[in-house]
Amino acid sequence: GQQVMQIPQYQHVQEGEDFTTYCNSSTTLSNIQWYKQRPGGHPVFLIQLVKSGEVKKQKRLTFQFGEAKKNSSLHITATQTTDVGTYFCAGPRSGSARQLTFGSGTQLTVLP
Amino acid sequence: DTGVSQNPRHKITKRGQNVTFRCDPISEHNRLYWYRQTLGQGPEFLTYFQNEAQLEKSRLLSDRFSAERPKGSFSTLEIQRTEQGDSAMYLCASSLTPVEKLFFGSGTQLSVL
Repeated sequence: GQQVMQIPQYQHVQEGEDFTTYCNSSTTLSNIQWYKQRPGGHPVFLIQLVKSGEVKKQKRLTFQFGEAKKNSSLHITATQTTDVGTYFCAGPRSGSARQLTFGSGTQLTVLP
Repeated sequence: DTGVSQNPRHKITKRGQNVTFRCDPISEHNRLYWYRQTLGQGPEFLTYFQNEAQLEKSRLLSDRFSAERPKGSFSTLEIQRTEQGDSAMYLCASSLTPVEKLFFGSGTQLSVL
């Protein structure tokens, strides 16, 4: 079945350092979505990428969708303590227009 | 926009008991999803409703699980004869368009003793 994998599983950075998480799907995706879950919280939608090679920015966050639409990345510039949380990528499940398959997430810790 | 509401927030039950959770989606969202999340994992799809119709269920979903959305508004998820392996966070989400921009509720944390 379809797999969505994320690396790294954990990342500790010093405040001000950059951070990148990578997402890889075993199948081509029609779109990729990113969600953030704060400790003790619920997933919150960040962004959706649809086009091959698409790059979108939200302040210090840069999202990329690969040319083959099978991989994606999230890069945070100059991390802040408010960036702490787990970042999930998610894509529609192959053969279904109703299921999102989530990666296992990258847990980011920012040390002050 | 009051967000997606779930209750209870926490449920502790003994193995073998039945439990029911409720989800109130964002009012204008006709699409509703149930997901399950265990520690260190991403949310795992359980089932999907469009209005009152349950259009998709995970093949991993046991027969002990049933979900309803009787009037196309709130939804309930029932687990019968709970097992320890059912312990997880049960998340409800809603959206305007299918599998895009899901709004999640705060979840119901189930502990089966």
